[in-house]
Amino acid sequence: QKEVEQNSGPLSVPEGAIASLNCTYSDRVSQSFFWYRQYSGKSPELIMSIYSNGDKEDGRFTAQLNKASQYVSLLIRDSQPSDSATYLCAGLLTGGGNKLTFGTGTQLKVEL
Amino acid sequence: DAGVIQSPRHEVTEMGQEVTLRCKPISGHNSLFWYRQTMMRGLELLIYFNNNVPIDDSGMPEDRFSAKMPNASFSTLKIQPSEPRDSAVYFCASSIRGTNEKLFFGSGTQLSVL
Repeated sequence: QKEVEQNSGPLSVPEGAIASLNCTYSDRVSQSFFWYRQYSGKSPELIMSIYSNGDKEDGRFTAQLNKASQYVSLLIRDSQPSDSATYLCAGLLTGGGNKLTFGTGTQLKVEL
Repeated sequence: DAGVIQSPRHEVTEMGQEVTLRCKPISGHNSLFWYRQTMMRGLELLIYFNNNVPIDDSGMPEDRFSAKMPNASFSTLKIQPSEPRDSAVYFCASSIRGTNEKLFFGSGTQLSVL
């Protein structure tokens, strides 16, 4: 099993809708999680981090962590065409050190 | 701040040639990471350094790959000899150790080995 798993998509949502992106992780991943956004042909950029169980909100973005289910999600409210990108879920591997492992990403398309 | 700087942006080479990718991390960042990205495998960590010291190179695919960080402001990733399956985008990223690894990525090097 890959340490962090995501559906590759594409996930298509209409403009103004809520986009829900999901990620599961294995026991080899610790409790620190990150969402990176990557536009086509560009490098990943950090948009959200979450360290404790529950929700964390930042503008139109909400990250959710459920440790019992080993599940992380990212909600994007009022989706805009500019949100169209690949979203990468990442987590720190256990065992110390600072190795960040990434899922393969979910492609999001926000349609007019 | 200029961010993480990588060079070259694009590299096209023939199988068997040596390839050297370069990275300048953000000033003050003490952790540096080399990742490789492909459609099939996504972002894979190749090696990372803390304070210029290689900490974990378990992701380096084979002995053809090597990485160095001679000082805090420069790192190289070398492939010798290169093979077509090495074609990918190679990203360098840096962070401040102890900040839960908020990585800042360079713009990447698109490598094509013919």
